[in-house]
Amino acid sequence: TQLLEQSPQFLSIQEGENLTVYCNSSSVFSSLQWYRQEPGEGPVLLVTVVTGGEVKKLKRLTFQFGDARKDSSLHITAAQPGDTGLYLCAGRPYNQGGKLIFGQGTELSVKP
Amino acid sequence: ETGVTQTPRHLVMGMTNKKSLKCEQHLGHNAMYWYKQSAKKPLELMFVYSLEERVENNSVPSRFSPECPNSSHLFLHLHTLQPEDSALYLCASSQEWMLGLADYEQYFGPGTRLTVT
Repeated sequence: TQLLEQSPQFLSIQEGENLTVYCNSSSVFSSLQWYRQEPGEGPVLLVTVVTGGEVKKLKRLTFQFGDARKDSSLHITAAQPGDTGLYLCAGRPYNQGGKLIFGQGTELSVKP
Repeated sequence: ETGVTQTPRHLVMGMTNKKSLKCEQHLGHNAMYWYKQSAKKPLELMFVYSLEERVENNSVPSRFSPECPNSSHLFLHLHTLQPEDSALYLCASSQEWMLGLADYEQYFGPGTRLTVT
């Protein structure tokens, strides 16, 4: 069974702090996606990383795909209250079509 | 309406009821998905339809019955549910289910919050 473990599960920080969310697996994925979900809404895609070692930046968010394509991290610089939400990583296994394996999520709260 | 819509947004049903969840996508996509989201658990893929044909069925109990009458609509028929079936049910769509190594973004609806009493 392919699993993605996210840590931490909960994170409460003050505005302006930095944070990192981790997504780890013993399985190799062809790509990995990060989503953000706000209360009462469905997840929204933030980024897809495809190449081992790839780093992508989206304003204050930096995403990295591990060299072995088994893990990923999301780093937020100078967090703002608008970053509050549930962050989900999702890996695409090889040879399983468009199937995604999701982590259990990291609930982030940024207090002003 | 744009994107992916789901109705109803909230549903409370008894264990002996029959109800249906509806999903509609306005994106011209060919693949549609049902997911179950429970607290502190990963999203669980339930069913996938590609061009109105079911291509994935992840050992879901028969009390959940999907229907895809056309590429824009997806239903989830519910009957004799259990309290542990209470969860957020998310519908999603993507341009295709699979085509080589291409990654197709999944667009999610807002979900139906289901409570089984």
